Amino acid sequence: QSMLTQPPSVSGAPGQRVTISCTGSSSNIGADYDVLWYQHLPGTAPKLLIYGNTNRPSGVPDRFSGSKSGTSASLAITGLQAEDEADYYCQSYDISLRLRVFGGGTKLTVL
Amino acid sequence: QVQLQESGPGLVQPSGTLSLTCGVSGDSISSSNWWGWVRQPPGKGLEWIGEIYHTGSTNYNPFLKSRVTISMDKSKNQFSLRLNSVTAADTAVYYCAREGVGSSWYFWGQGTLVTVSS
Repeated sequence: QSMLTQPPSVSGAPGQRVTISCTGSSSNIGADYDVLWYQHLPGTAPKLLIYGNTNRPSGVPDRFSGSKSGTSASLAITGLQAEDEADYYCQSYDISLRLRVFGGGTKLTVL
Repeated sequence: QVQLQESGPGLVQPSGTLSLTCGVSGDSISSSNWWGWVRQPPGKGLEWIGEIYHTGSTNYNPFLKSRVTISMDKSKNQFSLRLNSVTAADTAVYYCAREGVGSSWYFWGQGTLVTVSS
């Protein structure tokens, strides 16, 4: 059972906007630890999408954006494309367990 | 460009030891970065296993700590994972990674499937 809770799945049509939530607690996100987001396609290495809650590494389209409030964070994807179909994971740090923690992952389906 | 490549047996006997090595090119493991291991059991999410700093300092997942050892060989520019007393629950794709911007895991190996079975 992950300490960061994500919805198992989300879906959207091409061109639409979807959001993926990541709910933590006072010992991780709420303790002011940064949230990161990764995109993971089957058979490939995970790819960093967002670091420092809201920042995109170079090469990541601005269709991807991150936000954080209190003990939760969100990843928003606008202008949904077929190539966005993948698993998405949030990650933070838990001070009580001294553990880099991942969310359970969310499967995005592009309808 | 930093590249990482996992290597090691794809099949391990129950109660045995899982041993993997991550070869690094395009960077020195003596650089000021964390080098780590992450795994993904079949049908499940990502799990952080642990990490090692260029000084040799290590951090481990507390749920695995009693069974895990991460070490580095600077002469070969590689670092390694050992996981003792494995069970079927340790079957997973194992990734090695290097820390990057914002304390992220930025550079990843392609991953290697390790199956625990007799």
